[in-house]
Amino acid sequence: SQTIHQWPATLVQPVGSPLSLECTVEGTSNPNLYWYRQAAGRGLQLLFYSVGIGQISSEVPQNLSASRPQDRQFILSSKKLLLSDSGFYLCAWSVGLGSNQPQHFGDGTRLSIL
Amino acid sequence: DQQVKQNSPSLSVQEGRISILNCDYTNSMFDYFLWYKKYPAEGPTFLISISSIKDKNEDGRFTVFLNKSAKHLSLHIVPSQPGDSAVYFCAATLGSSNTGKLIFGQGTTLQVKP
Repeated sequence: SQTIHQWPATLVQPVGSPLSLECTVEGTSNPNLYWYRQAAGRGLQLLFYSVGIGQISSEVPQNLSASRPQDRQFILSSKKLLLSDSGFYLCAWSVGLGSNQPQHFGDGTRLSIL
Repeated sequence: DQQVKQNSPSLSVQEGRISILNCDYTNSMFDYFLWYKKYPAEGPTFLISISSIKDKNEDGRFTVFLNKSAKHLSLHIVPSQPGDSAVYFCAATLGSSNTGKLIFGQGTTLQVKP
């Protein structure tokens, strides 16, 4: 069966520090991968998605970047964190390109910027 | 521009009764709608979906209704159980997009009282 792992579960970082959140998927090949953020009191906002190794699409302009160095690995990064980067970050995967393929989420990373 | 809206931030129902969660959308090109359930400190879990060519889909205690003319969908949970207490997100996908990316509503917190 397929599983998705995100780490760390919680992270407290000072403003201006770098960030690296990692997500890996097991049990499937060539998944679509996604990074979402849920800010306090708001819904989930899509940040990045990837349909293959090295292929990254950004949905909103921001202080973050994403990379996909391997088929089942998706990394969210920042060189200098801002206070507004605080939130709950979720990685998700889906198979196929059809609209009817549900996405499956990891348990998320709670990021607090001080 | 919020394309998917859940106007009720919270809902409280008695155990055994029906829970009705509502969602409105603005983009008539959405072709699939999905409901996700989220517990605190966990990622969302896929619950049920419906194609835009249908008006009802049922899975056990969960039924989703779609009214395309009103651009409205709802999730019915019957009978409601305390374990259903969670945040429920509706989401939509665009058929013209081959990435399967989801556009989420803000979520509705359901509390089922014993």
